[in-house]
Amino acid sequence: SQQGEEDPQALSIQEGENATMNCSYKTSINNLQWYRQNSGRGLVHLILIRSNEREKHSGRLRVTLDTSKKSSSLLITASRAADTASYFCATSGTASKLTFGTGTRLQVTL
Amino acid sequence: EAQVTQNPRYLITVTGKKLTVTCSQNMNHEYMSWYRQDPGLGLRQIYYSMNVEVTDKGDVPEGYKVSRKEKRNFPLILESPSPNQTSLYFCASSLTGTAGANVLTFGAGSRLTVL
Repeated sequence: SQQGEEDPQALSIQEGENATMNCSYKTSINNLQWYRQNSGRGLVHLILIRSNEREKHSGRLRVTLDTSKKSSSLLITASRAADTASYFCATSGTASKLTFGTGTRLQVTL
Repeated sequence: EAQVTQNPRYLITVTGKKLTVTCSQNMNHEYMSWYRQDPGLGLRQIYYSMNVEVTDKGDVPEGYKVSRKEKRNFPLILESPSPNQTSLYFCASSLTGTAGANVLTFGAGSRLTVL
């Protein structure tokens, strides 16, 4: 069963703008991860935020986690054409399983 | 280079012809997993393995088999492929399967078409 649901499903912005993607999940988690996938390729891990953390940064990425609302957001600042990809959240509870959402397709145009 | 290697990358086969997709990792990872990706459905876990000789079903195990005889290898076997198994398959591994240490490294994917 799918745990994470990303919103929006698709997002189109211009280079230099910020992109925000949201992820909602249903049950308690140990950590939440964001991955990126270039078209037809393997997913690449971006960032992990633990359930006791509220915000985390990595370069131009900012992730927030609100466990009371069971939601997370991924912000990409000053986006570039190379950021064009699909972005997935993945949640992990106490078990080993990592469950992925359906993804947000981001298109960054020049 | 640390990586997960899948083969073949592309395969077209016919219904009922047994096939194996190999997966190998060179990072001494304990945990390995297979996912399939279909439009609108995201990634769904097929099988996973916490360590050698330890495998378990994921969300969509029907029609698939796996084995984990060596730490580095985790092949996916389709005994009698059917058209509904046409999909993009990913193998992934992580240091352990423990929540919090389960950052996955993915292979490049294997696109399978069953006619």
